[in-house]
Amino acid sequence: GQNIDQPTEMTATEGAIVQINCTYQTSGFNGLFWYQQHAGEAPTFLSYNVLDGLEEKGRFSSFLSRSKGYSYLLLKELQMKDSASYLCAFYNQGGKLIFGQGTELSVKP
Amino acid sequence: DTGVSQDPRHKITKRGQNVTFRCDPISEHNRLYWYRQTLGQGPEFLTYFQNEAQLEKSRLLSDRFSAERPKGSFSTLEIQRTEQGDSAMYLCASSHTGTVRPYEQYFGPGTRLTVT
Repeated sequence: GQNIDQPTEMTATEGAIVQINCTYQTSGFNGLFWYQQHAGEAPTFLSYNVLDGLEEKGRFSSFLSRSKGYSYLLLKELQMKDSASYLCAFYNQGGKLIFGQGTELSVKP
Repeated sequence: DTGVSQDPRHKITKRGQNVTFRCDPISEHNRLYWYRQTLGQGPEFLTYFQNEAQLEKSRLLSDRFSAERPKGSFSTLEIQRTEQGDSAMYLCASSHTGTVRPYEQYFGPGTRLTVT
């Protein structure tokens, strides 16, 4: 079967660093995505990992370990506007994205 | 550059009525996806097209749901005899398999359906 799991909610302080973990299980894997979704809006693309390792893009970094079925999204220098839901998703052989339930991140002053 | 657009943005209907949503993908994107999202959950795959061919349909999609992409450009999603459980955000996304990042999907703003 296939499934994907991430924490439901997290809280962090403005200016701090937060790591959002994601574990997945699937028989066909073609990459791991992270999307950001503000309330009432569409998901927007943050990162894509297909090989093991860390991908850095500005304040956001994403890590993948295919052998462990594990990824994380690292957000540095948190800003209030980073308060949103962060969706982990894997791309399977069938061509569709399988999403986790999303992690609701609240950034406090 | 126009992104993915969806119409209408909001739809309120009574139980038992039929509704139809439209999605216009990014120009020249050959793949088009439909997802459904309920509050507090991630998007759930419904179906996808490559050009005009419907390649996969979720087993979660009952016979009341049908999608088309007749000319390989815009797509419509119809729900017949709506039920309260159909209330959700319906998201459309598109991608292009011929690009460097063929797996990257761009989402539209969604159509929020409320069935009363």
